[in-house]
Amino acid sequence: GESVGLHLPTLSVQEGDNSIINCAYSNSASDYFIWYKQESGKGPQFIIDIRSNMDKRQGQRVTVLLNKTVKHLSLQIAATQPGDSAVYFCAENEDNQGGKLIFGQGTELSVKP
Amino acid sequence: DAMVIQNPRYQVTQFGKPVTLSCSQTLNHNVMYWYQQKSSQAPKLLFHYYDKDFNNEADTPDNFQSRRPNTSFCFLDIRSPGLGDAAMYLCATSRRLGPNTEAFFGQGTRLTVV
Repeated sequence: GESVGLHLPTLSVQEGDNSIINCAYSNSASDYFIWYKQESGKGPQFIIDIRSNMDKRQGQRVTVLLNKTVKHLSLQIAATQPGDSAVYFCAENEDNQGGKLIFGQGTELSVKP
Repeated sequence: DAMVIQNPRYQVTQFGKPVTLSCSQTLNHNVMYWYQQKSSQAPKLLFHYYDKDFNNEADTPDNFQSRRPNTSFCFLDIRSPGLGDAAMYLCATSRRLGPNTEAFFGQGTRLTVV
């Protein structure tokens, strides 16, 4: 079946460095993507989203890039801080399947001081 | 202020003993979702309500049921919990289905089955 998945299960970065978290999707009909941050013992928290008619969107310290040609999504975190340590999920809103939110595997980001 | 509230945060139940998890929202959103999240895994959608319309995922076991008595509340009933049902259960809401619709999550209920 079609799915949303991540390339790397874990990522360790030094405080102050930039982080890049990747996500691959296989549903060519996907038209909306969301990045969520989940801290230990808490629910997912919205970070940033992007529509399929865009290839880049920026927020505060975060940028999401979408490459529809290769069905790839990335989350870039600038000047990574210890508080960024969490699991990051990409999620796909499958409008052609009732508009449900489907999650990818997740990447655990660890920030070293 | 919490907008999606799940109670309790931690629930311990006995093997085979029915258990109910609750979720309430102050957002007046039409859609409410229940996800199951096991350790180191992504949240897996169990079912969702659009208003009063219930939508079950094809692979959700019959052991899991849900009720939505009104817009604000949604319950997850596990009729006969097994050890494999131990997980974090996440409730989420969204204004509508479809793209460009952010989902808001509660803090989750961690279920332990003994």
